Amino acid sequence: DGGITQSPKYLFRKEGQNVTLSCEQNLNHDAMYWYRQDPGQGLRLIYYSQIVNDFQKGDIAEGYSVSREKKESFPLTVTSAQKNPTAFYLCASSIEVDGNYGYTFGSGTRLTVV
Amino acid sequence: GNSVTQMEGPVTLSEEAFLTINCTYTATGYPSLFWYVQYPGEGLQLLLKATKADDKGSNKGFEATYRKETTSFHLEKGSVQVSDSAVYFCALSGGGGATNKLIFGTGTLLAVQP
Repeated sequence: DGGITQSPKYLFRKEGQNVTLSCEQNLNHDAMYWYRQDPGQGLRLIYYSQIVNDFQKGDIAEGYSVSREKKESFPLTVTSAQKNPTAFYLCASSIEVDGNYGYTFGSGTRLTVV
Repeated sequence: GNSVTQMEGPVTLSEEAFLTINCTYTATGYPSLFWYVQYPGEGLQLLLKATKADDKGSNKGFEATYRKETTSFHLEKGSVQVSDSAVYFCALSGGGGATNKLIFGTGTLLAVQP
């Protein structure tokens, strides 16, 4: 079955360390996204990529970096510059059909920085 | 810019009660509208969507009608079950913003008691 795989499900890191969250999709979707979820704030867009080797900043990109070297993969690095990295991170992908977009979400990675 | 406002939770109901979760949006054009559901510890699943005015999205007993005149997309269900307990997100894409970016409301926690 096609879908999005995020790994790991839980991740613990020490303050000051960079950490990379994995997101892989086998849906052949062109666009991929990273969202951050905090209690009471909904989902906020960190970065998105519409095609391979191209990506744009979302609303809260500071302290994060991404790459899109392959269509299937869109890893997110949380750097030491991110002041409050503990959160739930969701990856998504989308495809356009007749002018409308269909989105698929991964199951998320919960990052805890201690 | 485009935005989504949904009623704050938590919403606590008894089984078989009627559910309404309000959602209004701001957009310069005519966005597509979505309701997503998130069960504890999981990613987001599409519940229903509507792509143009007066469309009604429906799934699993939930309904929402795209009301352009009131810029609303309220979620309703006639008789909730304990298994409906989750966080519900209203979202939009398009409508003057980048077509493929999803913009979310803050989410509404629904707790259904037996």
